[in-house]
Amino acid sequence: RKEVEQDPGPFNVPEGATVAFNCTYSNSASQSFFWYRQDCRKEPKLLMSVYSSGNEDGRFTAQLNRASQYISLLIRDSKLSDSATYLCVVNNAGGTSYGKLTFGQGTILTVHP
Amino acid sequence: GAGVSQTPSNKVTEKGKYVELRCDPISGHTALYWYRQSLGQGPEFLIYFQGTGAADDSGLPNDRFFAVRPEGSVSTLKIQRTERGDSAMYLCASSARAGALYNEQFFGPGTRLTVL
Repeated sequence: RKEVEQDPGPFNVPEGATVAFNCTYSNSASQSFFWYRQDCRKEPKLLMSVYSSGNEDGRFTAQLNRASQYISLLIRDSKLSDSATYLCVVNNAGGTSYGKLTFGQGTILTVHP
Repeated sequence: GAGVSQTPSNKVTEKGKYVELRCDPISGHTALYWYRQSLGQGPEFLIYFQGTGAADDSGLPNDRFFAVRPEGSVSTLKIQRTERGDSAMYLCASSARAGALYNEQFFGPGTRLTVL
């Protein structure tokens, strides 16, 4: 079983749609969580951190359920510019060091007019 | 300010050759990370440095891979006797420090390595 699992998609949605991505992680000792965004042929960039209480940044909402070891990302009012790969990321996934980020496979989102 | 830079952007080599990939982190960042990304997959951790020392090298796939950061700034990832399976995008990232839980890692544009 992969340490971080995501539905690879692709998700194809019209502009204005709401889309949700889910992610599960296997190590219950994992302590911090993120969503990174990666545009085609570009490097990953931090979209948002995911806190236990859940957090929102504009059209983006992230949730964490530690009991179920589940992370989600909700995008409201999708824009064409949201088209990208969304990477679910866990820190300290191996319980050995804080520097090691473990990435999911990524979920591809395409927003069309 | 300048972000993380990596050179070369592309490297094509033949099976069995030695390659070096270079990373220049953001100025002042003490932590530096190397990842490898294959097509259709997320980045896979290789090694990270806190200062000059390798704090965690658990992701290096075998002893053909080695990385150094002699002065605590620039790092070089070295691959000996390259194999076709080493072909991937090699990403470098840096962060202000490695110990915090919510440390943002800033990634460079990567070096695409192709082993023929």
